[in-house]
Amino acid sequence: EAGVAQSPRYKIIEKRQSVAFWCNPISGHATLYWYQQILGQGPKLLIQFQNNGVVDDSQLPKDRFSAERLKGVDSTLKIQPAKLEDSAVYLCASSLASGQRSYEQYFGPGTRLTVT
Amino acid sequence: AQSVTQLDSQVPVFEEAPVELRCNYSSSVSVYLFWYVQYPNQGLQLLLKYLSGSTLVKGINGFEAEFNKSQTSFHLRKPSVHISDTAEYFCAALTPNSGYALNFGKGTSLLVTP
Repeated sequence: EAGVAQSPRYKIIEKRQSVAFWCNPISGHATLYWYQQILGQGPKLLIQFQNNGVVDDSQLPKDRFSAERLKGVDSTLKIQPAKLEDSAVYLCASSLASGQRSYEQYFGPGTRLTVT
Repeated sequence: AQSVTQLDSQVPVFEEAPVELRCNYSSSVSVYLFWYVQYPNQGLQLLLKYLSGSTLVKGINGFEAEFNKSQTSFHLRKPSVHISDTAEYFCAALTPNSGYALNFGKGTSLLVTP
């Protein structure tokens, strides 16, 4: 079974530029999450999708961050414009929509963003 | 709302020694608890989880954890560590019926030396 795929793995941009990250979840996983992991901290949820609908985006800085999952499969997270404090690893995770295993999230390798 | 506290930011230990990584949670409702491991430049991998039932949970790579409701703890243990266990370990919680998003602690860096 293929895991969660993310690209790019690394990205360096200057502040005020825009950037986009891509995630392809495990096949059949209806729930998709984006987490932000700042150095020295645990991951923090940015947004959660169920199929192509948003379940929770309460911690997404909507003035600069946006995310979509138009066809209910892969997803894109965008930052525009980027700030220095956005430097972090952006993790994508997916899980089954229902049943006991819905509590198990599978994580991709992450995208490390450096904003200079 | 629930929060997760990992009491040690770094734990150095010698190879083949036992180790305990501490995790406390706070929640006014029942929670599900997890331990994840993150190797350098990799994503998070699930070590074990507690949903219900037996309070002693066994996971992969010889790790186990015990859920203690009275002390609101979920400490991770391994009787004999290997060099390859060097990694960052995260404790996480979620509240059933309140979304499935995980609330993570800040992590504990386990460093195993010969």
